[in-house]
Amino acid sequence: EIVLTQSPDFQSVTPKEKVTITCRASQSIGSSIHWYQQKPDQSPKLLIKYASQSISGVPSRFTGSGSGTDFTLTINSLEGEDAATYYCQQSSRFPLTFGGGTKVEIK
Amino acid sequence: EVHLVESGGGLVNPGGSLRLSCAASGFTFGTYSMNWARQAPGKGLEWVSSISSTGSSVYYADSVKGRFTVSRDNAKNSLYLQMNSLRADDTGVYYCARDPSAGIGNWFDPWGQGTLVTVSS
Repeated sequence: EIVLTQSPDFQSVTPKEKVTITCRASQSIGSSIHWYQQKPDQSPKLLIKYASQSISGVPSRFTGSGSGTDFTLTINSLEGEDAATYYCQQSSRFPLTFGGGTKVEIK
Repeated sequence: EVHLVESGGGLVNPGGSLRLSCAASGFTFGTYSMNWARQAPGKGLEWVSSISSTGSSVYYADSVKGRFTVSRDNAKNSLYLQMNSLRADDTGVYYCARDPSAGIGNWFDPWGQGTLVTVSS
């Protein structure tokens, strides 16, 4: 099973600040990583697919990068509506796995 | 608009069974693989099962293998999860989600609103 380790677990950030969330895979997975945002009491929403591919309707301040084992989700100029928990997910092989999540709080 | 609506959750005794349903609309259901994922209270996301567009290929997490069965009825635009021998650690919100790719086991988009399963005596 491919284990995904996210860091940090929690981040408290002021509006307009830049946020960086990392996801490390236990083995190389190419670009088979996807990022989701889950706001309180809502279902997850896809933000980025295949490490860096943008999704229609998702604000451009959300970007992804990385390949192999190390991946990054960046939120440029954080807005109040971005308070949420962010998850990475790998699709390199079954079983599909998720990272433990990173909770972003707005100061 | 693509829409997924789960139903069938509820309170069940340990060892009991439950059948979840997911009604799909707004897309050609029979051409997409589908998935179940769950989230225990206050915890992260866990993939549960995937099924191909025709139902010919299915995959399960080890934690549910042998107890859960995924199926679909393309004529009814519906996805199902039969859950047997339920345990307390199966408690959580269960989501269905579409795989928008042409294959299986990729990314999830969109997700339904979820249905809560509580396993407790």
